[in-house]
Amino acid sequence: EVQLVESGGGLVQPGGSLRLSCAASGFTFSSYWMSWVRQAPGKGLEWVANIKQDGSEKYYVDSVKGRFTISRDNAKNSLYLQMNSLRAEDTAVYYCARFLGYSYGDYFDYWGQGTLVTVSS
Amino acid sequence: QSVLTQPPSVSGAPGQRVTISCTGSSSNIGAGYDVHWYQQLPGTAPKLLIYGNSNRPSGVPDRFSGSKSGTSASLAITGLQAEDEADYYCQSYDSSLSAGEVFGTGTKVTVL
Repeated sequence: EVQLVESGGGLVQPGGSLRLSCAASGFTFSSYWMSWVRQAPGKGLEWVANIKQDGSEKYYVDSVKGRFTISRDNAKNSLYLQMNSLRAEDTAVYYCARFLGYSYGDYFDYWGQGTLVTVSS
Repeated sequence: QSVLTQPPSVSGAPGQRVTISCTGSSSNIGAGYDVHWYQQLPGTAPKLLIYGNSNRPSGVPDRFSGSKSGTSASLAITGLQAEDEADYYCQSYDSSLSAGEVFGTGTKVTVL
């Protein structure tokens, strides 16, 4: 059974940093792209970042470029999101998701339960 | 802001059929990229409902179906059940300057 378990969320002041983790199990982690998707309170879903199987390719939504870094450790079956220079608008539940891509599209086939990040003074 | 537009809400009585539209543009759905749908039950994480416009993952009831035409896509729920009350999101890829995965604005389905 595929399982994705996020951790590391919490309350942080504007301008601060936080590192999210996602522990994966039930599949060969090193064979899949992985992603982070977020959802602000009462709002819709927003894709944040993707990372290739070996970490050689990374993509980000414009609003987090230069501030967030996605990474992975295939030996530990873990995905990470380093978030710096946090802003109030980064407040959201952050989901780890497995990402499947093909010629005509990409989608997220498994999701974790999410971890809440609150940016506030 | 979302580049895929959905109606904020739809409702129907048990057993009825409801449809949710997802309207995009020439840089996403109209460019030939597939559409995928997710169901988010209250207080839970999203779950993949439809992939590749019309394919259901294992375990998803055949009451759920998807289609795509031009710059739009639709999700249909037939034989509406109480447990279908949830938020539904479409998703595709956008090839504009800010290329990446894009989600719809989301639709709340209410079972009357």
